[in-house]
Amino acid sequence: QVRLQGSGPGLVRPSQTLSLDCSVSGASVNRDLHFWAWVRQPAGKGLEWIGRVSTGESITYNPSLRSRVTISMDKSKNVFSLQMTSVTAADTATYFCARERATWRGKSLFLSGMDVWGQGITVTVSS
Amino acid sequence: DIVMTQSPDSLTVSLGERATINCKSSQTVFNWSTNKNDVAWYQRKPGQPPKLLIYWASTRDSGVPDRFSGSGSGTDFSLTINGLQAEDVAIYYCQQYYGSPYTFGQGTKVDLK
Repeated sequence: QVRLQGSGPGLVRPSQTLSLDCSVSGASVNRDLHFWAWVRQPAGKGLEWIGRVSTGESITYNPSLRSRVTISMDKSKNVFSLQMTSVTAADTATYFCARERATWRGKSLFLSGMDVWGQGITVTVSS
Repeated sequence: DIVMTQSPDSLTVSLGERATINCKSSQTVFNWSTNKNDVAWYQRKPGQPPKLLIYWASTRDSGVPDRFSGSGSGTDFSLTINGLQAEDVAIYYCQQYYGSPYTFGQGTKVDLK
């Protein structure tokens, strides 16, 4: 059974860098041909896709956050991470890590939703 | 960005009745290379992460009760809950994963009457 466990500080000061990790068990970020993603949700608001990293370390970001976000992968630890710089109160949210399920059939990539999610990390940006 | 617009914003349904949520995308999300509509539906309950219910617009994920069904193609999609149960009270989101950035609808809150 694949499980994702997010970790990181619950409080970050304005203008500082938010750093979150997602530990993967039951699957390998190095071998499995899925994508590993970050999604956030401010309280009372909708879900926002932040970006994702693939096994081959191809990374795609939401352009609205591209200038402040870095997603990376540590294959030796089976962990993928999110860093967000220059945070403000607007970045206060619950942050989720998730697996974007993917299957290759010939030359076509079939994505089939985010099927495994971490429990969510509530991050507050405040001085 | 592809905008996903859900309707209604909230829905109150009696136990055992049907709930239907609509989702409209600002452009087609039909993927010609896979012949699939790249739309998923999620259920979010308080204190829990989203749960994948439906992918490819109409395929139920493993373990999802068959009272949940998805339909639609191109730009118009629906999620139907046939025979609403108390445990179905939640917020439901559609998502397109056709074009980056992947985007979600604003959510539809389903409550019991």
